[in-house]
Amino acid sequence: DTGVSQDPRHKITKRGQNVTFRCDPISEHNRLYWYRQTLGQGPEFLTYFQNEAQLEKSRLLSDRFSAERPKGSFSTLEIQRTEQGDSAMYLCASSSWGQGMEKLFFGSGTQLSVL
Amino acid sequence: RKEVEQDPGPFNVPEGATVAFNCTYSNSASQSFFWYRQDCRKEPKLLMSVYSSGNEDGRFTAQLNRASQYISLLIRDSKLSDSATYLCVVNTGAGNQFYFGTGTSLTVIP
Repeated sequence: DTGVSQDPRHKITKRGQNVTFRCDPISEHNRLYWYRQTLGQGPEFLTYFQNEAQLEKSRLLSDRFSAERPKGSFSTLEIQRTEQGDSAMYLCASSSWGQGMEKLFFGSGTQLSVL
Repeated sequence: RKEVEQDPGPFNVPEGATVAFNCTYSNSASQSFFWYRQDCRKEPKLLMSVYSSGNEDGRFTAQLNRASQYISLLIRDSKLSDSATYLCVVNTGAGNQFYFGTGTSLTVIP
């Protein structure tokens, strides 16, 4: 399977703890996006990378959130000092930008529950 | 005003029915348009891109009206397996800008 993979699938943590999620994009894709989705809402943009460069962060992304894509391949999203409001599905998507119409392909997501 | 707006539904239709969803977008400079399907607690999956001339894929037809800034998805001969949430997605072509609607929930009833 050469799709987007995310790990872990589920994460339960206590308020105040730090969590880190990993995303492995489709290998030939140069862009990688992080989204957050809560029940009844569409995915909400968090940040994206083109190769290893983080090109944009949402204004909604507090400084407790940080993302990296050190070698332009996999990416990690870290949330420090988690809050109950951080509970959501965190989705990663990748795309091939610059080769025709850009389309997003999503991983299965990481469901975060903050107790 | 939201970038992309959809009627959240729910739409409950009998098997075999035809159902249509509409979506409006606010940025007239938007360049590409998509419908994604999302099953409960799963990731969104690309259903189809939407082209200016309209396009069809089996029972699914997508249309774009740039003048009125709306996109539609028509599902003919609904199947039980079509039950899902359908997300309208718009890309302005600048930077990251994929905007998602909140989704329209469809349940096909036997």
